Amino acid sequence: GQQVMQIPQYQHVQEGEDFTTYCNSSTTLSNIQWYKQRPGGHPVFLIQLVKSGEVKKQKRLTFQFGEAKKNSSLHITATQTTDVGTYFCADDMDTGRRALTFGSGTRLQVQP
Amino acid sequence: GAVVSQHPSRVICKSGTSVKIECRSLDFQATTMFWYRQFPKQSLMLMATSNEGSKATYEQGVEKDKFLINHASLTLSTLTVTSAHPEDSSFYICSAPGLSYEQYFGPGTRLTVT
Repeated sequence: GQQVMQIPQYQHVQEGEDFTTYCNSSTTLSNIQWYKQRPGGHPVFLIQLVKSGEVKKQKRLTFQFGEAKKNSSLHITATQTTDVGTYFCADDMDTGRRALTFGSGTRLQVQP
Repeated sequence: GAVVSQHPSRVICKSGTSVKIECRSLDFQATTMFWYRQFPKQSLMLMATSNEGSKATYEQGVEKDKFLINHASLTLSTLTVTSAHPEDSSFYICSAPGLSYEQYFGPGTRLTVT
């Protein structure tokens, strides 16, 4: 079955440093969504990417969808302590059901 | 934005008992809701799709007789963990799709079975 892997599993950065998490799929994705889950909280939708090579920005966050639609990345510029949490990519499996297959997640810790 | 609530937020039960978790869409209707399970420091795994007015669809490996799902109305889905065992201890999260493509997640229910 489809697998969506993320690397790294965990990253610890100093506040102000940049951070990137990579999402890789074994199959071509119809689209990719990104969610953030704060410690003890629930996933919160960040963005969806649909087009091959698409790049979207949200303030300090930059999201990219690979040309082959098998990988995606989330880059955070100048991290802040509020960025702490686990970032998941997710695919809706293109079944029309809209259920999500989540990536393995990258846990970000920011040292003030 | 759309809000999804879950109740209870935390529950501790004894092995062999059943626990019911409610998921409500507060300001929108949801003909479909999803139930996920998340073990500590792991990702979310889809358990089942809750369908209003019809039977739930379970993912492979999820026992439908153990995890009973009822989608009684357009704003309420319930998950009942029957005869709970310690290995069922987990974080259970529901979600409902928004108007576009995003999912709105409930705050989750942390189940501890002793």
